[in-house]
Amino acid sequence: DTAVSQTPKYLVTQMGNDKSIKCEQNLGHDTMYWYKQDSKKFLKIMFSYNNKELIINETVPNRFSPKSPDKAHLNLHINSLELGDSAVYFCASSQRAGIGNTIYFGEGSWLTVV
Amino acid sequence: KQEVTQIPAALSVPEGENLVLNCSFTDSAIYNLQWFRQDPGKGLTSLLLIQSSQREQTSGRLNASLDKSSGRSTLYIAASQPGDSATYLCAVQETSGSRLTFGEGTQLTVNP
Repeated sequence: DTAVSQTPKYLVTQMGNDKSIKCEQNLGHDTMYWYKQDSKKFLKIMFSYNNKELIINETVPNRFSPKSPDKAHLNLHINSLELGDSAVYFCASSQRAGIGNTIYFGEGSWLTVV
Repeated sequence: KQEVTQIPAALSVPEGENLVLNCSFTDSAIYNLQWFRQDPGKGLTSLLLIQSSQREQTSGRLNASLDKSSGRSTLYIAASQPGDSATYLCAVQETSGSRLTFGEGTQLTVNP
């Protein structure tokens, strides 16, 4: 069973479109994350939710909006897509926020904006 | 602001060689440091997690050390195999506890 699963794995879309990436974890974890890996393979955190509440909100454009309907799901909505949004987006989860919690990553969603 | 640097950016070695990957971080106020492996087209797999109070962790052929005061960690891979070929990422968990700051990774190729 996949612990952290994201869909879709690949997404090619045109500039200006609105798209969503879904994430689900079946580990019973309280905390979920979205990370972005750019073309230089540099991973940076975007958002973190703990029990459906936003606890980390990095400086990302307002076009990016996370939504957590329950603690097992954290979806990422992106409005008015731009070329620079092309990247790999990783969802992750951990038992809870805080010290020493191993973070488990999904396999990534490759977004290409054309 | 925490910054994590990994050296070298890429490394190619023959099979069987022992090797060391380096990671440095600018703010020593960390809770832990993790080493991850990333295969092409795949997510990240956690290899080793070292708490800030620990000096090293071992798993099989992997040994990770942490010198928090100097802001350094190393990942030692013994008797490397072609299956070890991947990108290795170092990440520190900051005092807020929730955020991982990553280095840019070392791309390792082990040649048969």
